[in-house]
Amino acid sequence: EDKVVQSPLSLVVHEGDTVTLNCSYEVTNFRSLLWYKQEKKAPTFLFMLTSSGIEKKSGRLSSILDKKELFSILNITATQTGDSAIYLCAVEEGAGNMLTFGGGTRLMVKP
Amino acid sequence: DVKVTQSSRYLVKRTGEKVFLECVQDMDHENMFWYRQDPGLGLRLIYFSYDVKMKEKGDIPEGYSVSREKKERFSLILESASTNQTSMYLCASRRLAAGELFFGEGSRLTVL
Repeated sequence: EDKVVQSPLSLVVHEGDTVTLNCSYEVTNFRSLLWYKQEKKAPTFLFMLTSSGIEKKSGRLSSILDKKELFSILNITATQTGDSAIYLCAVEEGAGNMLTFGGGTRLMVKP
Repeated sequence: DVKVTQSSRYLVKRTGEKVFLECVQDMDHENMFWYRQDPGLGLRLIYFSYDVKMKEKGDIPEGYSVSREKKERFSLILESASTNQTSMYLCASRRLAAGELFFGEGSRLTVL
């Protein structure tokens, strides 16, 4: 069964909209959760979350982790066409060497 | 500036051919990873290595092998390529059990 599940699979919005992307996970020995943005090439790092309830913020992007309910959300406010990408969530567990990725959310922002 | 370099951006191979995908990182990272990425399936871990000559199977190791003879280089080998191995292959590295993964640009392999 899938350990890391992202929703929605895809999303189309208009510039200026706010979006919320979800990542739920089920692992036995959680260490951290990471968010990445992937445009045409390599994924680029956005956030790493280890503690519940502490929001991480970078410009219009923010993310928070709920370790009790086992999920994280990534918020993007005032979306721009440059936010169009695949957003990937990954969970690190155990001894910390392996990361398991979710299937990604494909976001398209229309002008 | 940190860098993970994959030797080939695009490859086209025939069924049954042996394929080598090379990855080099210049950050002295202990951990290196090979993922494949397919639409709707996200990134799936093939193999990873936490030290020279050490390797661990990921979620989908069948049909692949790896080699890590030097700390900076991690190679993915397809002994006999098959059409279902057509995919985007991403190499990544990180410091031992800490922080973000740094990715290469990817190698898009097509097996005919």
